[in-house]
Amino acid sequence: GAGVSQSPSNKVTEKGKDVELRCDPISGHTALYWYRQSLGQGLEFLIYFQGNSAPDKSGLPSDRFSAERTGGSVSTLTIQRTQQEDSAVYLCASSPGQARSYEQYFGPGTRLTVT
Amino acid sequence: DAKTTQPNSMESNEEEPVHLPCNHSTISGTDYIHWYRQLPSQGPEYVIHGLTSNVNNRMASLAIAEDRKSSTLILHRATLRDAAVYYCILRGHNAGNMLTFGGGTRLMVKP
Repeated sequence: GAGVSQSPSNKVTEKGKDVELRCDPISGHTALYWYRQSLGQGLEFLIYFQGNSAPDKSGLPSDRFSAERTGGSVSTLTIQRTQQEDSAVYLCASSPGQARSYEQYFGPGTRLTVT
Repeated sequence: DAKTTQPNSMESNEEEPVHLPCNHSTISGTDYIHWYRQLPSQGPEYVIHGLTSNVNNRMASLAIAEDRKSSTLILHRATLRDAAVYYCILRGHNAGNMLTFGGGTRLMVKP
């Protein structure tokens, strides 16, 4: 079946502009996660959605970052007034549920470059 | 959160078995042991997970020590496609719902 998809695959933007990154999770998966990976670094958790519960935003680095998940499916990560340090690969993952025994399925990522 | 310790890198020859170790001496009784891998320029990929018993799937085997303070991911016959960074991750009740990635082990496979 179809996996997690993300768009765009690459995004180049100028410092100060806003960007929107999209994630389409696997159908039926109730949990959705956003991570980012800076060049040569490990993965960093950003935000987590589970069903209709309030999202866990504990990983968002600043108030310039926000995310929403409409209808329990597609999610959009928005970065306002982008900075050069926002350059990274942004990864989305989905999971059948929140239990710690579940695996997460990752998308291919969006590579964001802020010039 | 309980932490894991993995070697920074390992080398293997193609077609030979590979044993990737992970130490987690502060693991709690309810922590699951998960393994993911990340191939170059791709998102992480789930490999296997377990709680107490050894586990096998089509990709790998997971051997868990009796005291659960360490585990080993076993690739039975390494291929060039297995060259990746392998992450050992603990998931427990209080760990939140996200995956916390450490540095992982970079596996290099020689033809």
